[in-house]
Amino acid sequence: GQSLEQPSEVTAVEGAIVQINCTYQTSGFYGLSWYQQHDGGAPTFLSYNALDGLEETGRFSSFLSRSDSYGYLLLQELQMKDSASYFCAVNQAGTALIFGKGTTLSVSS
Amino acid sequence: DVKVTQSSRYLVKRTGEKVFLECVQDMDHENMFWYRQDPGLGLRLIYFSYDVKMKEKGDIPEGYSVSREKKERFSLILESASTNQTSMYLCASSVGLAGHNEQFFGPGTRLTVL
Repeated sequence: GQSLEQPSEVTAVEGAIVQINCTYQTSGFYGLSWYQQHDGGAPTFLSYNALDGLEETGRFSSFLSRSDSYGYLLLQELQMKDSASYFCAVNQAGTALIFGKGTTLSVSS
Repeated sequence: DVKVTQSSRYLVKRTGEKVFLECVQDMDHENMFWYRQDPGLGLRLIYFSYDVKMKEKGDIPEGYSVSREKKERFSLILESASTNQTSMYLCASSVGLAGHNEQFFGPGTRLTVL
């Protein structure tokens, strides 16, 4: 079968650093993506890792270890506007994505 | 900017009705997708299409069908709506390249089946 595991909830304070982990088990793998979804909004793309290592985009970074079937999203200098749901997704066969169930991040002041 | 639009933000239908959800994208993307999103279950893929008149089943195709007669339009059809199809339905599109495939999502249609 195929599955993605990520924590259901994470809480943090403004200015902190938070890491959201994702482990996956799929029959095919092209890469790991991360999406952000604010309450009532549409998911939006954050990052994509096809190769092992860290990808940095501003305050957000994403990491992948293909040998461990593991990745994480790192959010630094947290702001209130980062409160949202974060989904990891596996690009399984070059086209379709399989999404995890999402992690709700709550940032407090 | 890529724009993916969906025909309705909110829809209320009766059990047994035939329901059409329309999705249009304006960026000439090859791939289009239909997901449903339910609390605690994330986004689950219903169907996708990588070309006009082509369709592939996703993880939960039962009770649904799709139509893609034009490149920019992808329709989701509930032949006979049931209460367990009450959900948020999200359409997405992406370019036709294997690998990266950033998906662009529409605003969603919240469907209630009574």
